[in-house]
Amino acid sequence: GENVEQHPSTLSVQEGDSAVIKCTYSDSASNYFPWYKQELGKRPQLIIDIRSNVGEKKDQRIAVTLNKTAKHFSLHITETQPEDSAVYFCAASVGNQAGTALIFGKGTTLSVSS
Amino acid sequence: GAVVSQHPSRVICKSGTSVKIECRSLDFQATTMFWYRQFPKKSLMLMATSNEGSKATYEQGVEKDKFLINHASLTLSTLTVTSAHPEDSSFYICSARDLWKNTEAFFGQGTRLTVV
Repeated sequence: GENVEQHPSTLSVQEGDSAVIKCTYSDSASNYFPWYKQELGKRPQLIIDIRSNVGEKKDQRIAVTLNKTAKHFSLHITETQPEDSAVYFCAASVGNQAGTALIFGKGTTLSVSS
Repeated sequence: GAVVSQHPSRVICKSGTSVKIECRSLDFQATTMFWYRQFPKKSLMLMATSNEGSKATYEQGVEKDKFLINHASLTLSTLTVTSAHPEDSSFYICSARDLWKNTEAFFGQGTRLTVV
């Protein structure tokens, strides 16, 4: 089955700096890669996703890149703010259909200090 | 966006008792729902896939007799933790995607189970 590795496990940056989180996946059939932000005790919230027919996607300060050949994808957050502090999870699934489970990486705890 | 509601949000039970957790899709139909378990500061581990009208599919290492799943309708899946033990204490969270749309996965608010 799919296995998703995520690095780093913790990341501390100064406000205004950029943060990059990287993930690799094992199943070449995976074609949907979302990123979730989870605050303590709360449900994960989707922040951005990418499908395998796209190499890069951007939404304001957040961008995701995908390299299917290398089977890795990355989250980029620019101009970080203290409210960006949270745990971020990458995930992968084979297809983005309703019957397909997401397999998650182990998470990255991002701390943004002002 | 679509809403998934999970109940209860917190439950404390005694060892040996059973606890039922409900997961509802409020404004869409979901023939499939997913149950995850999350330990403190850890990732979401897929436990099982709940299928409406048929048996759930469990991930390797998850005891199906321990974690009973029922998906009786297109909007409701339940997870029952049977004969609970302190090691079952965890954050359980469900997820569902809209049957008719290729959309993101939506998560319930999670259930913090504490077994004493």
